[in-house]
Amino acid sequence: AQSVTQLDSQVPVFEEAPVELRCNYSSSVSVYLFWYVQYPNQGLQLLLKYLSGSTLVESINGFEAEFNKSQTSFHLRKPSVHISDTAEYFCAVSDPWGRSYNTDKLIFGTGTRLQVFP
Amino acid sequence: GAGVSQSPRYKVTKRGQDVALRCDPISGHVSLYWYRQALGQGPEFLTYFNYEAQQDKSGLPNDRFSAERPEGSISTLTIQRTEQRDSAMYRCASSLERGRAEDTQYFGPGTRLTVL
Repeated sequence: AQSVTQLDSQVPVFEEAPVELRCNYSSSVSVYLFWYVQYPNQGLQLLLKYLSGSTLVESINGFEAEFNKSQTSFHLRKPSVHISDTAEYFCAVSDPWGRSYNTDKLIFGTGTRLQVFP
Repeated sequence: GAGVSQSPRYKVTKRGQDVALRCDPISGHVSLYWYRQALGQGPEFLTYFNYEAQQDKSGLPNDRFSAERPEGSISTLTIQRTEQRDSAMYRCASSLERGRAEDTQYFGPGTRLTVL
């Protein structure tokens, strides 16, 4: 079964510094990968996703993630963070070719809380 | 509103009581998912509906948990004889197409259930 590991439960960083949130998944077979963000008192929102093609995917607010098949990783990066990026970030995987039911459920990591300080 | 809504946002109940959690997906979305998120954990899949058909309930932890979506729109997750270990955030998500992994799942704000 698929699993997702987010090793860092909390990442404190100063505003305008770069940040990397790590994500590793368990299987080397083809999967879809997602990053979701949860701002305080809000629901989960999709930040970006990798389905196929270019291994580098970008979000509209400056985040990017790179799919690395050999390392089974999908780390999230931003070169310069803002206070407004403070949130919890969840990496998730979907395994469309491994499903035994007609379901494409998401399997989430435990989340990384990004705290941006002024 | 265009998003997924859930009610109530907060529910406190006593052990042994039954609770019903409601999810109103985005209009026209075929797929509906329920997830449960314990404190300090990521969301875990509970069950999936394609229109009104419950096609996957492999994540429901035991037979005290049930869900329905009778008209293919609003869904209710029911927990009977609640226990303290049921305390968690219950999240609902919907997506446009039928069980396509590449489709974005849109999440509601969640219902935080506390069982005393």
